[in-house]
Amino acid sequence: NAGVTQTPKFQVLKTGQSMTLQCAQDMNHNSMYWYRQDPGMGLRLIYYSASEGTTDKGEVPNGYNVSRLNKREFSLRLESAAPSQTSVYFCASSENRVRGDTQYFGPGTRLTVL
Amino acid sequence: AQTVTQSQPEMSVQEAETVTLSCTYDTSESNYYLFWYKQPPSRQMILVIRQEAYKQQNATENRFSVNFQKAAKSFSLKISDSQLGDTAMYFCAYRLAGNKLTFGGGTRVLVKP
Repeated sequence: NAGVTQTPKFQVLKTGQSMTLQCAQDMNHNSMYWYRQDPGMGLRLIYYSASEGTTDKGEVPNGYNVSRLNKREFSLRLESAAPSQTSVYFCASSENRVRGDTQYFGPGTRLTVL
Repeated sequence: AQTVTQSQPEMSVQEAETVTLSCTYDTSESNYYLFWYKQPPSRQMILVIRQEAYKQQNATENRFSVNFQKAAKSFSLKISDSQLGDTAMYFCAYRLAGNKLTFGGGTRVLVKP
């Protein structure tokens, strides 16, 4: 039982390049989330998916797109990377979107945009 | 908008001693959940403890316990019998129904031998 997995672990991009961050969970969770963590700060929600087939914007969605490919997988795409998107990206999942639902996090992807 | 404030950027504690991390939050809601997450140098976010706002009893999880003061909107974390493995960033987080966790800025805890 791997929990939440993310690929890649590290990535360096040049400004304007595109890439997709992959996330998968094997806990049969309905909801999935993408966060970013900037140095010295807590996590901020980029996008989330309450259930398969739905996605919604979070706090900082500009410059990103997401795809809920199936129940297991939720990808985050940067179409034209900018230095301001240098951050650590975390994927998380939870059984449902109810109030007390615990979110389980992946190990993170460290992205640097030059 | 909901905000979460952790006023202590960094704290150090001797091994086997107790340390308390503070967290305050701002909300107009009456029913919500609060969490403490630990982020060790590996960067993995690990749930430490959670508290349901409608429950008056403070949550405990082994050496970790909280002091939840709903009227004061305060949610502190106490780490007892600190161990070297407790060295990490600790984040307080708040959650309403559904959409998202709102995180504080974090407190770095260093446990000294």
